[in-house]
Amino acid sequence: QVQLVQSGAEVKKPGSSVKVSCKASGDTFNSYTFSWVRQAPGQGLEWMGRVFPRVGTSNYAQNFQGRVTIIADVSTSTAYMELSSLTSDDTAVYYCATEPRYSGSYWGQGTLVTVSS
Amino acid sequence: EIALTQSPGTLSLSPGESAIISCRASQSVTSGFLAWYQQKPGQAPSLLIYRTSSRATGIPDRFSGSGSGTDFTLTISRLEPADFAVYYCQQYGSSLWTFGQGTKVEIK
Repeated sequence: QVQLVQSGAEVKKPGSSVKVSCKASGDTFNSYTFSWVRQAPGQGLEWMGRVFPRVGTSNYAQNFQGRVTIIADVSTSTAYMELSSLTSDDTAVYYCATEPRYSGSYWGQGTLVTVSS
Repeated sequence: EIALTQSPGTLSLSPGESAIISCRASQSVTSGFLAWYQQKPGQAPSLLIYRTSSRATGIPDRFSGSGSGTDFTLTISRLEPADFAVYYCQQYGSSLWTFGQGTKVEIK
């Protein structure tokens, strides 16, 4: 299994960018894909995109195309999500997560990103 | 992108009853790659079911998934107090994954 530890809470100004990290330990980093999912206050889950560390490619949800970048650093077993042009609508808890399989889907603890002037 | 629509939005039930949650996809879900998650307040979601009907490790058999194509169902038998939570379906068969909007199972 794998443990995912995310970076801490962030407060950002509108128009700026945020970069959140997700460090994996306990299992082979390359054997997973890492998705980023966000949850606005009181709302549901929204899939943003994912990265395949083994091949270094990423897919992005249409709602975030052009505004999000998801990468993986195999040397440090860390996935990153960077979101640009922030607005108040981007205030949410951001999670990294692995794909569903028998052993489970592993999630980070979540990172609260607050966008406020 | 494949849109997922869950129903009902809220289910009010008593402990011991069964919950049936529907998840309908806007197009066929490839190879039945449909998962179900449980989320409790202040916690990250937890995987219950993957590949339509396979239970993740440690998940009791009170939780079952079924379906194919565009119509999927999560059934929770003999509801226990810990089962009252929000449930989400997720499709991961296409290159772009999506979640349903969630179903809250609350105590009646």
